[in-house]
Amino acid sequence: GAGVSQSPSNKVTEKGKDVELRCDPISGHTALYWYRQSLGQGLEFLIYFQGNSAPDKSGLPSDRFSAERTGGSVSTLTIQRTQQEDSAVYLCASSLDQGMGGYTFGSGTRLTVV
Amino acid sequence: AQSVTQLGSHVSVSEGALVLLRCNYSSSVPPYLFWYVQYPNQGLQLLLKYTTGATLVKGINGFEAEFKKSETSFHLTKPSAHMSDAAEYFCAVYSFGNEKLTFGTGTRLTIIP
Repeated sequence: GAGVSQSPSNKVTEKGKDVELRCDPISGHTALYWYRQSLGQGLEFLIYFQGNSAPDKSGLPSDRFSAERTGGSVSTLTIQRTQQEDSAVYLCASSLDQGMGGYTFGSGTRLTVV
Repeated sequence: AQSVTQLGSHVSVSEGALVLLRCNYSSSVPPYLFWYVQYPNQGLQLLLKYTTGATLVKGINGFEAEFKKSETSFHLTKPSAHMSDAAEYFCAVYSFGNEKLTFGTGTRLTIIP
């Protein structure tokens, strides 16, 4: 597609429920990244996919967080048993190669856990 | 490991005044540096980047930044602020070791009419 598409744009969920956030990167971009942006905070790296390589999961904050990327394209970030501290904007980005030229970001998913 | 520090989490300037947003980096190798802008309820948009070559980089919306190796800085400037420049600005450095961008904590720019 023309840009990075994320869905849903907003998600309100009850504490303890599981949620899935979707990212559709730019066609042909081999790298895909998930970041979390909490209120008033910077960007916190979560996970990085590069082609068919094993993902870099070093930023995932707990085992309740997981992500997959199917067919080297669409990615889903799953948060199990959501907690109030998971409330944040989740940003997805994609890039050519290893991202040395910068990333293209989606508009994000605003997650609110009540 | 590479890192960036943005001085000033909030900056206010009058419309028409100079905009200066500060970014200092730490890198053991020649850095690739970026500035992104985030408007409310939107994702981040690339303003400009420095990889190699000319140290003065021009970006969109009249912004520019100068890479100064001796000062380990990559400050963002715009000669005359416009109301539409109100946003949050992030500086970032690319890490060749782990193939990721590391972002600063951001600077919120407010324009005073």
